[in-house]
Amino acid sequence: EVQLVESGGGLVKPGGSLRLSCAASGFTFSNAWMSWVRQAPGKGLEWVGRIKSKTDGGTTDYAAPVKGRFTISRDDSKNTLYLQMNSLKTEDTAVYYCTTVTYYYDSSGSPAEYFQHWGQGTLVTVSS
Amino acid sequence: SYVLTQPPSVSVAPGQTARITCGGNNIGSKSVHWYQQKPGQAPVLVVYDDSDRPSGIPERFSGSNSGNTATLTISRVEAGDEADYYCQVWDSSSDHRGVFGTGTKVTVL
Repeated sequence: EVQLVESGGGLVKPGGSLRLSCAASGFTFSNAWMSWVRQAPGKGLEWVGRIKSKTDGGTTDYAAPVKGRFTISRDDSKNTLYLQMNSLKTEDTAVYYCTTVTYYYDSSGSPAEYFQHWGQGTLVTVSS
Repeated sequence: SYVLTQPPSVSVAPGQTARITCGGNNIGSKSVHWYQQKPGQAPVLVVYDDSDRPSGIPERFSGSNSGNTATLTISRVEAGDEADYYCQVWDSSSDHRGVFGTGTKVTVL
């Protein structure tokens, strides 16, 4: 059974930093592409970013609101995904979910990705 | 940037059919995925690649996608289907990124 357990959330002041972790089990983590998705209180889902497996280059992509401030990394020896968040803003307040990514090429030959398994989320509050 | 628009709410009586739309420019050329989120819980994938269902998802959930609109259809609606539903695509037109719809609250009357 796939399990994703996020940790590291909490209260941080604007301009501060926080690192989230996501412990994975039940699948071969090193082969997996992984993503972070967030949800502000009472709002919808927002994609944060994604990291490919090392065999696929280990590269990352980020949403525009977090690019240059957030960094996704992975430690395959520990089956753990990370989200380093710097220069935090009040608008970063949200529940952050770790997800697995299923990727493929659709019928038109375009890349497609979706989020199959989700953790329970960890709350990050940015407030003075 | 690519935008997905959903109606804020849909109401349906038990046993009837709920249809949730997801509008986007030429969305029929993309693969659409749907998630269900109940209060206080993480989202759950209910349809992927326009119309496929993950294991464990009832056949009552189905999807279609054409032109500028994708649709999630819930047949024989049950009280337990009351939740928020989100569509999602992967936008690789400029930079590579995930895009979620605005979300639809389904209320079972």
